[in-house]
Amino acid sequence: GAGVSQSPSNKVTEKGKDVELRCDPISGHTALYWYRQSLGQGLEFLIYFQGNSAPDKSGLPSDRFSAERTGGSVSTLTIQRTQQEDSAVYLCASRLGQGVFNEQFFGPGTRLTVL
Amino acid sequence: AQKVTQAQTEISVVEKEDVTLDCVYETRDTTYYLFWYKQPPSGELVFLIRRNSFDEQNEISGRYSWNFQKSTSSFNFTITASQVVDSAVYFCALSGRDTGNQFYFGTGTSLTVIP
Repeated sequence: GAGVSQSPSNKVTEKGKDVELRCDPISGHTALYWYRQSLGQGLEFLIYFQGNSAPDKSGLPSDRFSAERTGGSVSTLTIQRTQQEDSAVYLCASRLGQGVFNEQFFGPGTRLTVL
Repeated sequence: AQKVTQAQTEISVVEKEDVTLDCVYETRDTTYYLFWYKQPPSGELVFLIRRNSFDEQNEISGRYSWNFQKSTSSFNFTITASQVVDSAVYFCALSGRDTGNQFYFGTGTSLTVIP
């Protein structure tokens, strides 16, 4: 079956522009996560969606970052007024249900470069 | 607090050597799961293994083995007879029942296998 997909795979933008990153989770997965990975670094949690519950936004680094998930499926991460320090790979992961034992399945990521 | 520590930032081994990647965790949950992921140079994280907090049996899968010890809060990963294809960044992660489905990732260990 199809895995997690993300688009675009690469995005180059100018400082100050807004960008939207898209994530298509695995069908039937109710949990969706966004992470940021800077070059050579670990995974930085950004936001988590679970079903129809209010998202956990505790990892968003500033109010320039926002995300939504429509219809419990596709998610969009929006970064407004991009800064050079936003350059990173943005990873999306989905997970089946709320069970603590369920692993996350990751997409290939979107590499964002802010000039 | 929930925390995963991978003290080894980078490891280099010569092909066919054995290598152990360390993972130490902290949690107040009594029920939790530990995971290992592999991130090859292509970038996509791949799930390797899951272990629950009540199962301390070691696991072997081909050249991979995992040693879970609750007494030392460790979940170490050993690759036997390493191969160049094992070169990747390896992440250890923790998911606890009482932590709202959050995943806690370590900072990763970059393994280079030299031919």
